[in-house]
Amino acid sequence: SQQGEEDPQALSIQEGENATMNCSYKTSINNLQWYRQNSGRGLVHLILIRSNEREKHSGRLRVTLDTSKKSSSLLITASRAADTASYFCATDGGGSEKLVFGKGTKLTVNP
Amino acid sequence: DTAVSQTPKYLVTQMGNDKSIKCEQNLGHDTMYWYKQDSKKFLKIMFSYNNKELIINETVPNRFSPKSPDKAHLNLHINSLELGDSAVYFCASSHRGSEDTQYFGPGTRLTVL
Repeated sequence: SQQGEEDPQALSIQEGENATMNCSYKTSINNLQWYRQNSGRGLVHLILIRSNEREKHSGRLRVTLDTSKKSSSLLITASRAADTASYFCATDGGGSEKLVFGKGTKLTVNP
Repeated sequence: DTAVSQTPKYLVTQMGNDKSIKCEQNLGHDTMYWYKQDSKKFLKIMFSYNNKELIINETVPNRFSPKSPDKAHLNLHINSLELGDSAVYFCASSHRGSEDTQYFGPGTRLTVL
């Protein structure tokens, strides 16, 4: 069954605002990853957070992981129009060979 | 240099035809994947190969046959195409499977008429 479920499904904000997307999953994991997909393109890796980590930063991105609640959040600070894309979380299902992706959050940043 | 490349980018064909999509990665990765993304953007793994050996075969009709001639290539052949096969197919690669970042190709948009 599908592991990650992103929330909200769609998010529209103004440039300069922060965007927060959430991901919930069902089983134990070794790591959780966030990817971005621009329209008509392939997915691009953003951040990988391991199950023993609680927070990770990369530039304007901040990812948190709460394994007790089986949830993660992706925060994009000071958003830009170029951040407009779909964002997916993916989990490894606790050591399975595959990543399972959620349905994604479609983020629109209005200039 | 493109890390993961796929050809063709677009494929329009009639129902019942056989078609192939090619994928190549120049990252030196051991593991390669095929994913299918449907019209609702849901991305689902189809196959995974590690060093030319099949390690994941999800519930995919056997009209779909992956072939890995070497570690850098993973091709997807589809027989007797059906309307429901219309989707975007992504190839990806990673160093060590689900522990690592996956690098995606640009996708092949398949339309079956």
